[in-house]
Amino acid sequence: AQSVSQHNHHVILSEAASLELGCNYSYGGTVNLFWYVQYPGQHLQLLLKYFSGDPLVKGIKGFEAEFIKSKFSFNLRKPSVQWSDTAEYFCAVNARNAGNMLTFGGGTRLMVKP
Amino acid sequence: DTAVSQTPKYLVTQMGNDKSIKCEQNLGHDTMYWYKQDSKKFLKIMFSYNNKELIINETVPNRFSPKSPDKAHLNLHINSLELGDSAVYFCASSPPGDFSDEQFFGPGTRLTVL
Repeated sequence: AQSVSQHNHHVILSEAASLELGCNYSYGGTVNLFWYVQYPGQHLQLLLKYFSGDPLVKGIKGFEAEFIKSKFSFNLRKPSVQWSDTAEYFCAVNARNAGNMLTFGGGTRLMVKP
Repeated sequence: DTAVSQTPKYLVTQMGNDKSIKCEQNLGHDTMYWYKQDSKKFLKIMFSYNNKELIINETVPNRFSPKSPDKAHLNLHINSLELGDSAVYFCASSPPGDFSDEQFFGPGTRLTVL
C-alpha cells in the first residue's frame, strides 16, 4: 500500500517569503502525484498534478512542484507567498492498481503573516 | 453551478442514530468517492465507486455504506453512529478512464455525534 508523508505540520511565514513544503511517498509502481489546497472553511482544490513528462510542474497561483523519482519526493514551492496563501496544503498520490483512490499526507498548515 | 454538492452542510445527531449524507455531481463523471477528514485534518479515503465496481477501504466499519441510485449520486449511510464518527466528510468525483485525472471535491459535511 502507498503512503504519503508531509514533514512540516505547521509553517509560519511573512509575506514575500519563499515557501517549500516537503512531500515524500512510498510506492514502487507507477503513481500520480497531486497537491491540493484547502482554504479556511472551504473544500479541497487542485493546485497542480504530475503524471508524466517534465518533472517540474507549474500550477495555479504561482505554485510549482518538482517530482524527484530517486527521492520519492514531490515538494511544493512558491517564490513569494501572500497573505491569501494561508491554508492547509495536502500532498496526495494514487496508484494504477488502487482504483484511483487518493492517499493523502497529513497536511501542512501554512500561515502567512501580513 | 456547483460541480459537486453535498447535503446537509452540518449534521448534529445523537449516538446510536442512523443518518445519511447526500452527494451529487453534475460533471458527468463515472467515479465517485467518499473521504473522511478527522479533527486533525487528516484525510482518508473511505470508498471508491463507479457503475462497475465498489472499492472499500478495509479500515472502514461496515456501519458505513455507500448507495448510488444513479451515476450522478453517491450517498453515504451511517448506522449506529458513534462519537468517533464525528468528522468532516467529503464527496468527490473524477472522469472515467485515466487514473491521472484530478478529483473534484464537494464542500464537505461536518458531522457531530453527541
